[in-house]
Amino acid sequence: NAGVMQNPRHLVRRRGQEARLRCSPMKGHSHVYWYRQLPEEGLKFMVYLQKENIIDESGMPKERFSAEFPKEGPSILRIQQVVRGDSAAYFCASSPPLDRGGYGYTFGSGTRLTVV
Amino acid sequence: QQQVKQSPQSLIVQKGGISIINCAYENTAFDYFPWYQQFPGKGPALLIAIRPDVSEKKEGRFTISFNKSAKQFSLHIMDSQPGDSATYFCAASRGSNFNKFYFGSGTKLNVKP
Repeated sequence: NAGVMQNPRHLVRRRGQEARLRCSPMKGHSHVYWYRQLPEEGLKFMVYLQKENIIDESGMPKERFSAEFPKEGPSILRIQQVVRGDSAAYFCASSPPLDRGGYGYTFGSGTRLTVV
Repeated sequence: QQQVKQSPQSLIVQKGGISIINCAYENTAFDYFPWYQQFPGKGPALLIAIRPDVSEKKEGRFTISFNKSAKQFSLHIMDSQPGDSATYFCAASRGSNFNKFYFGSGTKLNVKP
């Protein structure tokens, strides 16, 4: 089991470009979560998705950010017209359904986005 | 508004010593409190977790102490080792939305040989 796979590991974008971050959950996991970590800070929840559904997007900025988890393929976090303040590490986690014990909740190694 | 407050920001401990990291929360609806360990360049990994029906949970050298009335919980690392050097995050979630975690700001632990 390869774990939660995120790519790319590092992404550099110029201001105004688009950033696409991908997350492939662990095998058997149908729930995906995205978090953002600013330097020297904890992780902040962004969005929770199940296949083809956004369950909770209360942590997503209202503009420029979107997320999807299609029936086939990885989950995508998309940031349009990036600004310097979007520079952060973006982590994806996945879990199996009804994982109330929490031990199935697994993070990927993250994508470090740098906006220049 | 930060829902989970963590201290200290950084901690230096000698090998063999006890590392103690503290967290406090406001929302009494929280009912699951995990601790995560993160090494540079890696994602957080679950270390140990507790529910508020117990006051202490121990797994090997790691112990969570939980004080429900004070809304505080702490991580104790006994016999700290250089390999424990990492950033530690406390977190909390609530039953109705148990997979949405609120994280503390992290504690960078350095265990000196």
